[in-house]
Amino acid sequence: EDQVTQSPEALRLQEGESSSLNCSYTVSGLRGLFWYRQDPGKGPEFLFTLYSAGEEKEKERLKATLTKKESFLHITAPKPEDSATYLCAVQAWGNNRLAFGKGNQVVVIP
Amino acid sequence: SAVISQKPSRDICQRGTSLTIQCQVDSQVTMMFWYRQQPGQSLTLIATANQGSEATYESGFVIDKFPISRPNLTFSTLTVSNMSPEDSSIYLCSVADPLAGVRETQYFGPGTRLLVL
Repeated sequence: EDQVTQSPEALRLQEGESSSLNCSYTVSGLRGLFWYRQDPGKGPEFLFTLYSAGEEKEKERLKATLTKKESFLHITAPKPEDSATYLCAVQAWGNNRLAFGKGNQVVVIP
Repeated sequence: SAVISQKPSRDICQRGTSLTIQCQVDSQVTMMFWYRQQPGQSLTLIATANQGSEATYESGFVIDKFPISRPNLTFSTLTVSNMSPEDSSIYLCSVADPLAGVRETQYFGPGTRLLVL
């Protein structure tokens, strides 16, 4: 069974204090690893898809990386508007289902 | 990406009743999905709804409890039947289109927040 574990569960950062979120996964043949951002009261907003180990993608202050066992979401010089829950999900070949972790809740303090 | 809307955005229901949630997309998509997000838990796939065929349910979810319709390529409904307080959750629809050029990525609607008393 595909499994995703995210750590830390919650993180408080000072504005400008860079940090990384971890997503460890087990999957029977990785089709894709996905990162989403979810704000309170809203649906998940798509950020990145990573397909193979060594791949990296960037968007503004966010950078996602992938190895064969885990993915990291690096937040560089965060701002208060980066406060959100970040969700990681994996999809296996032959399956449309996304298996999600419980998320990393990030609060950036001005 | 597709613009997805859901109705209602939230509701409070009595146990034993049923609620139908609508999901509307602004473009035609081949695959639509229904997820549940219970407090403190991960998003969990309920079923996959493809137009012209029966919905495919994940382990632990059954058609009698969560009947789904998919009448065309832009619309789907999920009904939560005979509700109990354990059904209190956020229900989300998502869409994916393998022909859109972004392989397998799913985009989510805003969700329906359901509280069962």
